[in-house]
Amino acid sequence: GDSVTQMEGPVTLSEEAFLTINCTYTATGYPSLFWYVQYPGEGLQLLLKATKADDKGSNKGFEATYRKETTSFHLEKGSVQVSDSAVYFCALRTGTASKLTFGTGTRLQVTL
Amino acid sequence: EAGVVQSPRYKIIEKKQPVAFWCNPISGHNTLYWYRQNLGQGPELLIRYENEEAVDDSQLPKDRFSAERLKGVDSTLKIQPAELGDSAVYLCASSLDGAKENIQYFGAGTRLSVL
Repeated sequence: GDSVTQMEGPVTLSEEAFLTINCTYTATGYPSLFWYVQYPGEGLQLLLKATKADDKGSNKGFEATYRKETTSFHLEKGSVQVSDSAVYFCALRTGTASKLTFGTGTRLQVTL
Repeated sequence: EAGVVQSPRYKIIEKKQPVAFWCNPISGHNTLYWYRQNLGQGPELLIRYENEEAVDDSQLPKDRFSAERLKGVDSTLKIQPAELGDSAVYLCASSLDGAKENIQYFGAGTRLSVL
């Protein structure tokens, strides 16, 4: 079945550091890929997405590229801020209205 | 525009008691999802509705869980009786099937603690 594997957290970085959160997936067919973010006390929010190979999703300085050959969708940001502290979930979806399959989440803590 | 609204935000009950969660999706969204998120894990789908029809309930423990979406709008998820292992965050999401970008929007969730 479909599955998503994320790097374990927590990830602790100083402000302005470079961020990478690794995500790899296993899926039948050609999934769409997503990064969701969950701030403390809030629901999941879509951060970015990519629907086909080599697409790059970007939002709020975050980027991720759909790599079919390595089945990966790593999240990157060049300079993190304290306000980026949250839990980040990588997810995939096969089919337009089907369920999302999530990874276990990676907690990011950014300090001054 | 209001997002997905869930209530209550928190619920503490004793085992064997019943509990119900309510979800109001984004206006016009025809697809509604209930997910369960265990501590330290990602959400997992319990049930998906297209309008008022449950089209995927394969992961719903039907011996104790039930759900309904009357009139294809609001939805309730019920557990009866609750067990200790049901402690989790229950998330509702909605999407517009057929839209160019079928994005699932999540509510803030209901955190259930079973004592």
